[in-house]
Amino acid sequence: GAGVSQSPRYKVAKRGQDVALRCDPISGHVSLFWYQQALGQGPEFLTYFQNEAQLDKSGLPSDRFFAERPEGSVSTLKIQRTQQEDSAVYLCASSSIAGGPGETQYFGPGTRLLVL
Amino acid sequence: DAKTTQPNSMESNEEEPVHLPCNHSTISGTDYIHWYRQLPSQGPEYVIHGLTSNVNNRMASLAIAEDRKSSTLILHRATLRDAAVYYCILRDVRMDSSYKLIFGSGTRLLVRP
Repeated sequence: GAGVSQSPRYKVAKRGQDVALRCDPISGHVSLFWYQQALGQGPEFLTYFQNEAQLDKSGLPSDRFFAERPEGSVSTLKIQRTQQEDSAVYLCASSSIAGGPGETQYFGPGTRLLVL
Repeated sequence: DAKTTQPNSMESNEEEPVHLPCNHSTISGTDYIHWYRQLPSQGPEYVIHGLTSNVNNRMASLAIAEDRKSSTLILHRATLRDAAVYYCILRDVRMDSSYKLIFGSGTRLLVRP
């Protein structure tokens, strides 16, 4: 079946621009996660949704970052007034359950954001 | 979450076994050991997980030390497609935030043809 998809795959933005990154999780998956991966580093957690509820946004680096999942399926990560330090790969993942020892997260290919 | 330590990089020859180590000396009794890998230009993918006993699946085997302070991911016959960064992650199921994967720097595996 279809995996997690993300769009766009690549985004170049000028400093100060707003960007919106989209994630289509696996159909029926309750949980959705966003991670940020800087060059040469492991992914870092940003935020977590269970259906439409954003249960954890502790990893969002600033109030310029905003995520939503209004109908409990597609999610959008929005970054306002982009800065050069926002340049990274943004990864979306989904899972059929929320946490627990056997939970497996399925990742999309990521959106590579470059802020000039 | 308890910290894991992995070598920065390892090399292997194609069709030979690969043993990827992970140290987690501060592991708690409720920490599960998960492995994910990330192929170039892709998102991470789940490989295997375990608690105490050794585990096998179609991708790999996980050998867990008796004291649980270390584990080894075993690829039985490395292929060029196994070249990736491998992450060893601990997940404490007691914690409400166990859904949060905490990645370290991982081990970059290079497979020589």
